[in-house]
Amino acid sequence: SQELEQSPQSLIVQEGKNLTINCTSSKTLYGLYWYKQKYGEGLIFLMMLQKGGEEKSHEKITAKLDEKKQQSSLHITASQPSHAGIYLCGADPAGGTSYGKLTFGQGTILTVHP
Amino acid sequence: DVKVTQSSRYLVKRTGEKVFLECVQDMDHENMFWYRQDPGLGLRLIYFSYDVKMKEKGDIPEGYSVSREKKERFSLILESASTNQTSMYLCASKRRGMGYNEQFFGPGTRLTVL
Repeated sequence: SQELEQSPQSLIVQEGKNLTINCTSSKTLYGLYWYKQKYGEGLIFLMMLQKGGEEKSHEKITAKLDEKKQQSSLHITASQPSHAGIYLCGADPAGGTSYGKLTFGQGTILTVHP
Repeated sequence: DVKVTQSSRYLVKRTGEKVFLECVQDMDHENMFWYRQDPGLGLRLIYFSYDVKMKEKGDIPEGYSVSREKKERFSLILESASTNQTSMYLCASKRRGMGYNEQFFGPGTRLTVL
């Protein structure tokens, strides 16, 4: 089965600082999803990466999938308190041919101090 | 605006009670999922459904059952609640089809079993 390991498990930064969260897979990633969760709430979809070397950006958040498709990173530039929350990576272990079941990493808790 | 709603945000039940968690989506999605989320473990799939009256076990189905009588509604049932089922429960839905498309999540139900 596919396992996703996120690092770090938690992160505390000062507002304005850049940060990176990593997601490493035990198997090749065919579809990698990034979600954000505010404490006690549901998950909000951020981005999905599919191709090796792919990079996507939305506002100040950039996600990349490495060429070997076994690791993804999420980079936040000039962090703001609104970026605080739990970031989760999820992957489709069946390569997009299943019912869309996702395996998730354990999550990274981000705190941004004003 | 697409929506997945869950019947309760917070629920407190006693050991041995039968518990129903309801999830409704308005996007006409074929696939629906129930996850539980625990600190340090990420999201784990309990059950999913790919059509009305169709269901498949996820990674941790023990102690749970599900019902899907209508396309828009997916219910999670705890036949006899136990304290180790205290958790955050998240419902999600997804459009069917090959390839990659994201799951949409509800706000979650935080269940406490005393």
